[in-house]
This record gives sequence, C-alpha cells and structure tokens, in this order.
Amino acid sequence: TQLLEQSPQFLSIQEGENLTVYCNSSSVFSSLQWYRQEPGEGPVLLVTVVTGGEVKKLKRLTFQFGDARKDSSLHITAAQPGDTGLYLCAVVYGQNFVFGPGTRLSVLP
Amino acid sequence: SQTIHQWPATLVQPVGSPLSLECTVEGTSNPNLYWYRQAAGRGLQLLFYSVGIGQISSEVPQNLSASRPQDRQFILSSKKLLLSDSGFYLCAGVYGGAFFGQGTRLTVV
Repeated sequence: TQLLEQSPQFLSIQEGENLTVYCNSSSVFSSLQWYRQEPGEGPVLLVTVVTGGEVKKLKRLTFQFGDARKDSSLHITAAQPGDTGLYLCAVVYGQNFVFGPGTRLSVLP
Repeated sequence: SQTIHQWPATLVQPVGSPLSLECTVEGTSNPNLYWYRQAAGRGLQLLFYSVGIGQISSEVPQNLSASRPQDRQFILSSKKLLLSDSGFYLCAGVYGGAFFGQGTRLTVV
C-alpha cells in the first residue's frame, strides 16, 4: 500500500469549472506539500500546510490540511487551461520525501 | 536560495551500456538528497536517498546504484542499462522545503 493516495487519478474539465482533488493517508504528518508538475520538468512547490485544519489560499487555489493532519485537499476555482498539469502531494516520512501518485488535471478551453 | 543542477537533460543509451547521471547542489550544505524516477504519466517513485556523504539508502531493488562522493554531489549509475530503465529521472534536495533539478529524460533503446 502507498503512504499517500490521491484522487481522482485523472480529471478533465472545461475552463471555468471548479474542482477539488484529494490527498489521503492513514498516517499523521507534521506538514504536507502540494506541487504542480508539467511534462519534462521538475515539480514546482505550490504550498506547505503545517497546522491541522489550516486553510491557505493562492489566488484561485485553496489548500486545506485535515484536522487530524492525515489528509489534504486542493480546490481550484474557475479553472483555466494554464492549470493543466500533474498535481502531487508530498510529505517527509522519516528520512524519506515521499510523493503521492498524483492527479493529472486537464482543463479544456 | 537552494538550486540543483542536473545533467544531461536528455539521454539516449543502448541496452547494456553504462549510465551516470549527476546532480550538484548550490546554496546549502548537508541537504538530504533524493533520486526519483517517473514513468510516463505516472507519479514519482523514490529510488535512493542520502543523508550525508557516503550514506545511501535504496528504496527499490533494481538495476541502479547511487553514490554521494561529496556533500553537494549525488550520482545515479548503472553498469548495464535495461529497456525498463527508461524514464524521467529527478534529483531533489530537502533542506527545509524541497527543491528539484530539471530532470533527465532517459531513453534506453
């Protein structure tokens, strides 16, 4: 079993729609990060959440860390084609830095 | 700020040939360093991590090895490449947050 699970695996939506993707685990983490990766490039950090229940906003992106610090969600409002990419959550687990399998988002114009 | 230089960006190698991918770190000392592999459309699979010079931990048994001869140098190697070694390889450092190289796309033919 994977440490982090992400859902949905794939998501294709029209420009202007809202969406939420999820990152879940049975383990508790001191922090969790979200990244976006475009093909052929390294992941780019979007946000780090640290406190249970924390909500952070980055323009049209809203990130929430679960109260128990086991899960997180990313909500995008009025998605744009530029939001297309692979969204990855990641945590430090012991000495490892572990990524979830990702949600591949496609926003169609 | 921390940066990782990773090269080459693309590589085409025949089956059975050796491999050496190198990344170097700037802007920090004694970071934890990681090698990931990403198959097309998939998430990042942790291959190796290192917490210091000469210290390598392997996450997945395979045809690859890693070395850390200097604090800021992390090398991924293979003696004989297999077709299944094709993929996108990312070097990452974690010192506070995570920072990434630009990746190497390896095609074994």
